Amino acid sequence: AQSVTQLDSQVPVFEEAPVELRCNYSSSVSVYLFWYVQYPNQGLQLLLKYLSGSTLVKGINGFEAEFNKSQTSFHLRKPSVHISDTAEYFCAVSGGAQKLVFGQGTRLTINP
Amino acid sequence: SAVISQKPSRDICQRGTSLTIQCQVDSQVTMMFWYRQQPGQSLTLIATANQGSEATYESGFVIDKFPISRPNLTFSTLTVSNMSPEDSSIYLCSASPWGAGTDTQYFGPGTRLTVL
Repeated sequence: AQSVTQLDSQVPVFEEAPVELRCNYSSSVSVYLFWYVQYPNQGLQLLLKYLSGSTLVKGINGFEAEFNKSQTSFHLRKPSVHISDTAEYFCAVSGGAQKLVFGQGTRLTINP
Repeated sequence: SAVISQKPSRDICQRGTSLTIQCQVDSQVTMMFWYRQQPGQSLTLIATANQGSEATYESGFVIDKFPISRPNLTFSTLTVSNMSPEDSSIYLCSASPWGAGTDTQYFGPGTRLTVL
């Protein structure tokens, strides 16, 4: 079985500052990893995914994430955030059975 | 990717009634799923909607409470039966399109349900 831990429930940052949202996973098998974003009163949008290959994955809206197998982490980063990045971010893991297990979410708040 | 729509977008229902939520995808997909997101919480998988056969439910969810249909490769419904205030949640449909890559799921906008 897989599990996901998002280490921060809330992350406040100032506009144009860098941000890192942390995600650790647990699994006994090879995994596929995802980051989704949920803007207020909307569904989930896929930001990026790691299936195989390069451990540095680039996604939409300037976000990127790095898969670290030894540390079982998949942290999300952006070098300079914008007010429009204010949202809830979910890390998710799949063990290949096409079922996603989600973390508890991290609320990113951008202050001007 | 896939574009997914859900109806209704929100509803307020009385205790003891049932609500059917529709999920439509703009292309044929292999897998469709239903999730629940309780207020301030993460997503929990309710079931996998299988085309032409009974849905596969996760632990804690039963067919009598959440009957699901999937008559073809682009459409599914979820019914929330005999509702109570504890069923107040956002219900989200997701789908894995053909060729999207293993386990990649795209989500609909969700149905916000309030039970009084």
